[in-house]
Amino acid sequence: TQLLEQSPQFLSIQEGENLTVYCNSSSVFSSLQWYRQEPGEGPVLLVTVVTGGEVKKLKRLTFQFGDARKDSSLHITAAQPGDTGLYLCAGDPLSNQFYFGTGTSLTVIP
Amino acid sequence: DADVTQTPRNRITKTGKRIMLECSQTKGHDRMYWYRQDPGLGLQLIYYSFDVKDINKGEISDGYSVSRQAQAKFSLSLESAIPNQTALYFCATSGLTDTQYFGPGTRLTVL
Repeated sequence: TQLLEQSPQFLSIQEGENLTVYCNSSSVFSSLQWYRQEPGEGPVLLVTVVTGGEVKKLKRLTFQFGDARKDSSLHITAAQPGDTGLYLCAGDPLSNQFYFGTGTSLTVIP
Repeated sequence: DADVTQTPRNRITKTGKRIMLECSQTKGHDRMYWYRQDPGLGLQLIYYSFDVKDINKGEISDGYSVSRQAQAKFSLSLESAIPNQTALYFCATSGLTDTQYFGPGTRLTVL
């Protein structure tokens, strides 16, 4: 059982559509991070959410941290082919060990 | 120049062979990590080190060992490689914040 479960695992959408990716856990996190990984490269940090209920926006990407700090979501508005990649949530459940989610592979079709 | 480098970038080896993957960083970070990624999946933590004298096992340390030779260097060894260790291996570093900076990865194939 993974500490951080992401859904959906795979997502294929047309350019211009909206989508939401979810990251859920039964554990409380002091913060959660979202990374994006492109083929052949290492993950790159997109954002860190720290406060329960926090919403952060990064251009067309909106990140939300759940009130109980156990879950997070990533919403992309008007997806573009450049958004294609593997999206990973990650965090430390106060155990000094960092965990990554199961990942969501997004394909945006032109 | 890249802040986190990994060598080799690709490696094909045979079952039972000992291999070492190396990681170097110029970010001055104390914390270093080794992860394994299987196709289309997230990352699993193998080992992590908070400083030169501190080594900790991650989720999937069995079959792996590490050495932290210096603040800037963290190597991962497979003492006797087996086919299910075929994967993409990433090294990462972090400093005072939780943000992790990843190397380009090593693609390992065990035949």
